[in-house]
Amino acid sequence: GAVVSQHPSRVICKSGTSVKIECRSLDFQATTMFWYRQFPKQSLMLMATSNEGSKATYEQGVEKDKFLINHASLTLSTLTVTSAHPEDSSFYICSGIGDRGSYNEQFFGPGTRLTVL
Amino acid sequence: DQQVKQNSPSLSVQEGRISILNCDYTNSMFDYFLWYKKYPAEGPTFLISISSIKDKNEDGRFTVFLNKSAKHLSLHIVPSQPGDSAVYFCAASEIYGLTFGEGTQLTVNP
Repeated sequence: GAVVSQHPSRVICKSGTSVKIECRSLDFQATTMFWYRQFPKQSLMLMATSNEGSKATYEQGVEKDKFLINHASLTLSTLTVTSAHPEDSSFYICSGIGDRGSYNEQFFGPGTRLTVL
Repeated sequence: DQQVKQNSPSLSVQEGRISILNCDYTNSMFDYFLWYKKYPAEGPTFLISISSIKDKNEDGRFTVFLNKSAKHLSLHIVPSQPGDSAVYFCAASEIYGLTFGEGTQLTVNP
């Protein structure tokens, strides 16, 4: 399958700071990228869908001013958690679809574990 | 409202036997179904998928069955190997995006 990387893999930050997570498609062009969040012992929850060059579409209940998503190129999407609080601590996973695989086949990054103190 | 449900949080099988993981869904608009495997602290890895126009798809030791009338799909792993021990998520899609089940922890005992 295609390769998607995320950076950082782990981040610990103080409450009130902002954290940026990068998601890169390494060997394909991701026309669409998704950001998911997973709480312990729960399924992945889709946060937002972003198409390259346009604004992200957020799922209901996800604050777009808190979770800023930028998809400026076909290989890079970023998620910025602004003014992070302990309840934002979670596992964040991105995925991409594009010119690899079927249109429904998503390639996931390894995830980023965010801990807000 | 959980549109994709995996009712068994865990499953334990003996090496060499068949593992059957089940998944039910409620949204009749779903037309593509996928299974993912996830190891601790890693992102999910795509395993196998099936379109709603099919009722079976096979890839090596993995076979996915889809029963649209029952809104049920299952993943069969034969023969099961200790390396298959992981959390398995089923997911459903309308066009883009995925709705995941809660996952089933599969443990294959040597």
